[in-house]
Amino acid sequence: GAGVSQSPSNKVTEKGKDVELRCDPISGHTALYWYRQSLGQGLEFLIYFQGNSAPDKSGLPSDRFSAERTGGSVSTLTIQRTQQEDSAVYLCASSLGTAPLGYTFGSGTRLTVV
Amino acid sequence: DAKTTQPTSMDCAEGRAANLPCNHSTISGNEYVYWYRQIHSQGPQYIIHGLKNNETNEMASLIITEDRKSSTLILPHATLRDTAVYYCIVRVGGGSNYKLTFGKGTLLTVNP
Repeated sequence: GAGVSQSPSNKVTEKGKDVELRCDPISGHTALYWYRQSLGQGLEFLIYFQGNSAPDKSGLPSDRFSAERTGGSVSTLTIQRTQQEDSAVYLCASSLGTAPLGYTFGSGTRLTVV
Repeated sequence: DAKTTQPTSMDCAEGRAANLPCNHSTISGNEYVYWYRQIHSQGPQYIIHGLKNNETNEMASLIITEDRKSSTLILPHATLRDTAVYYCIVRVGGGSNYKLTFGKGTLLTVNP
């Protein structure tokens, strides 16, 4: 596609429920990243994919968070047993490898846990 | 990655040039300077990056000092839609270094 697409754009869920956030990167972009941004805060790195592999999961806040990428394209970030502190905007970005190139970000999914 | 220092906020009149400074005095020889911006309620948008030479594209110009310890992002004719938080990021290009570390950035407000 022309840009990075994320769905849903907004998600309200009850505490304790599981949620899945989807990211469709730009076609041909081998690198994919997940970040999150809490209200009034900076961007926090979560996980990086190169192809379908995730060499760095160090940013995932807890074992309730997981992510996968299939076919070197679509990625899903799953949060199990959501907590109120998980409320944030979850941003996905993609790039052509890790060469000195800019990353293209999606518009994010705003997650609200009530 | 080297640390960057930016002013918290700046104002600019519509139609005038906006000059956003960034200090990165501990930058290494293989680190690039990147600029992104984030308009309210949107994801960050890549603007420009450079290593040593000044760079220009359709969005902005990047001026890097000869010692590379500071840089300036220039929006030549700021519009109201340029109101955003601007992030200066220093990062090794390529290889295993893939993270973008976003600081607080500069909130640029373009006034009519």
